[in-house]
Amino acid sequence: AQKITQTQPGMFVQEKEAVTLDCTYDTSDQSYGLFWYKQPSSGEMIFLIYQGSYDEQNATEGRYSLNFQKARKSANLVISASQLGDSAMYFCAMREEWSGAGSYQLTFGKGTKLSVIP
Amino acid sequence: DTAVSQTPKYLVTQMGNDKSIKCEQNLGHDTMYWYKQDSKKFLKIMFSYNNKELIINETVPNRFSPKSPDKAHLNLHINSLELGDSAVYFCASSQGGGISQPQHFGDGTRLSIL
Repeated sequence: AQKITQTQPGMFVQEKEAVTLDCTYDTSDQSYGLFWYKQPSSGEMIFLIYQGSYDEQNATEGRYSLNFQKARKSANLVISASQLGDSAMYFCAMREEWSGAGSYQLTFGKGTKLSVIP
Repeated sequence: DTAVSQTPKYLVTQMGNDKSIKCEQNLGHDTMYWYKQDSKKFLKIMFSYNNKELIINETVPNRFSPKSPDKAHLNLHINSLELGDSAVYFCASSQGGGISQPQHFGDGTRLSIL
């Protein structure tokens, strides 16, 4: 079974609108961390936001916020006021407390390609 | 100023050759990683080193050999390159393996096998 599922291969959003990118995860650990990364067409991987499994509040970083629903095992990324520069691949990733070799491993979803339309 | 730097950025070579990719981080982190991103953009862990000790060694052909001379460097050597090795290889680093520690990535090395 996939540990991280991103069901939207591609998404379109109008500039200045908000968009939600879906991410569901599968783990039996009580302690885990969820991350979102952005990969523009230039190829680099940019860390955006982190949510811990014990965090009671949803994480926010500027225009990025994470809609964390623990019971549903979902960690959706919300981008407010989309800009043209937000066009990129977005990856959801998880770090579990015990993933064989401790918690070192980041497991990634397959990504969502976001296109912002002017 | 670059936090995690990889060289080279592009590597084009012939099947059967041996090549190396270098990675250096100046963030003071003690854990470094190699990931492979395939043509469908899927990212998968290959290796992880913590304080120069190998922590993760996923099912990777033994033609791939990581080497960590010190905490700030993790190099990847690939022997007898095959067509299927064509991919983007990312180096990353973090402070330990704690679940709250984000991994910071280099810009990637695009390896193309002719």
